[in-house]
Formats: sequence, C-alpha cells, structure tokens
Amino acid sequence: AQKVTQAQTEISVVEKEDVTLDCVYETRDTTYYLFWYKQPPSGELVFLIRRNSFDEQNEISGRYSWNFQKSTSSFNFTITASQVVDSAVYFCALSEVGDYKLSFGAGTTVTVRA
Amino acid sequence: EAGVVQSPRYKIIEKKQPVAFWCNPISGHNTLYWYLQNLGQGPELLIRYENEEAVDDSQLPKDRFSAERLKGVDSTLKIQPAELGDSAVYLCASSETGNTEAFFGQGTRLTVV
Repeated sequence: AQKVTQAQTEISVVEKEDVTLDCVYETRDTTYYLFWYKQPPSGELVFLIRRNSFDEQNEISGRYSWNFQKSTSSFNFTITASQVVDSAVYFCALSEVGDYKLSFGAGTTVTVRA
Repeated sequence: EAGVVQSPRYKIIEKKQPVAFWCNPISGHNTLYWYLQNLGQGPELLIRYENEEAVDDSQLPKDRFSAERLKGVDSTLKIQPAELGDSAVYLCASSETGNTEAFFGQGTRLTVV
C-alpha cells in the first residue's frame, strides 16, 4: 500500500507566487519521521526538513514553511514568493521507527516561470 | 565537507552485460543506502547497510543484483547481467544512523540498450 501520497503531479506558477505542495501519509506506527527532499535537474536529492511524529509545531525556514497535522495525516510544504531556482521535483517521504528506510511519494514537479 | 560521491554519473551498456556503481558516503556516516529511481517516480530502497552489514536487502533482486560495503565505508552495487528494465537512476545515500536524515549523491543514470 502506498504510504505517501502526493496528489499533485505538476504545479506551474509565476515567479513571486506562493505554492503549496500536499503530502498525505499512512502509517500504523505512533513514532515516525516525515521528510521533504528537493530534486533539481542535476538529479541530487537535497534534504530540506525532517520532522518527528511528536512534534506538530509548524516550521518556517526562510521562504519555506511546513504544516504538519496528525489529525489529517498531512505534512504540507509551502514555498512563499517562489523563484525560478525553486523549479524542481519535490518529494515527501516517511520513515517508520525500526524500518529506517524512506518511503517516498511520487513527487510533485514545480515549475516557476519568470 | 564533501557530500556523497557516486561514479560514474552516466553509463550506457548493452543488455546482458555487467555493470557496477560505486559510492563513497559522507565521512563518519555508518548507514549507507542504495535506492533505485525510475523515471517519474520516487526512489525505492534496494539495500541498507549498517557499517559492513546489509541489514535490509529485502528489495534487492538477488538473482542479478549484488552489493558490498567493504570496511564499512565505500560501497559497490553490481548488476549481472543487466536487462532493459534496469534502466533507471541508482542513488546512494548515507546517514549518521538509521534514523537521522539521509544525504544523497547525484546518482548514476543507467541506460541498458
């Protein structure tokens, strides 16, 4: 069964617009970790954030912010005032304690047009 | 500090030929992963090492794939013989432990013709 669902396949925005990427996960564990990675055209997966299941506090890092809601099993990611350099594929991932592998969603391709 | 280094970046081989990928993890990282990424999909784990020990190889097709991590540092992933369906990007990642964030290399894009 798909553990991480990223329903948006592609999102296209104009520079300076905000963009929100949805991530819904599924797990029976009470302790788990959620991640977001960015994959630019160069191919390398760039780590953005890790959040454990006991920390529902939202986080902001520069133009990036994350909204974790256990009640809806969602871990959404917002890019504020998008820039062309934000164009990439963004992956949400889940890691269950004891499993230690990342289960990735299918990714959302973000294209920011100048 | 150097990140995860993989080589080669690109490889084109004919089907039924062998191929090997090499990975040098971040210094001090005990956990090493090999992931497979098909076009338009998220990466999927092939194998995870804790130091020299392969602790999760349940997704590795052992009839044609093999991996090793000698001395708990560098790792090699091999395919023999390669099939057309093996065309994909092979990603190596490392982390301090199994539960910390993983850092990825740029991957090896394999094309089997």
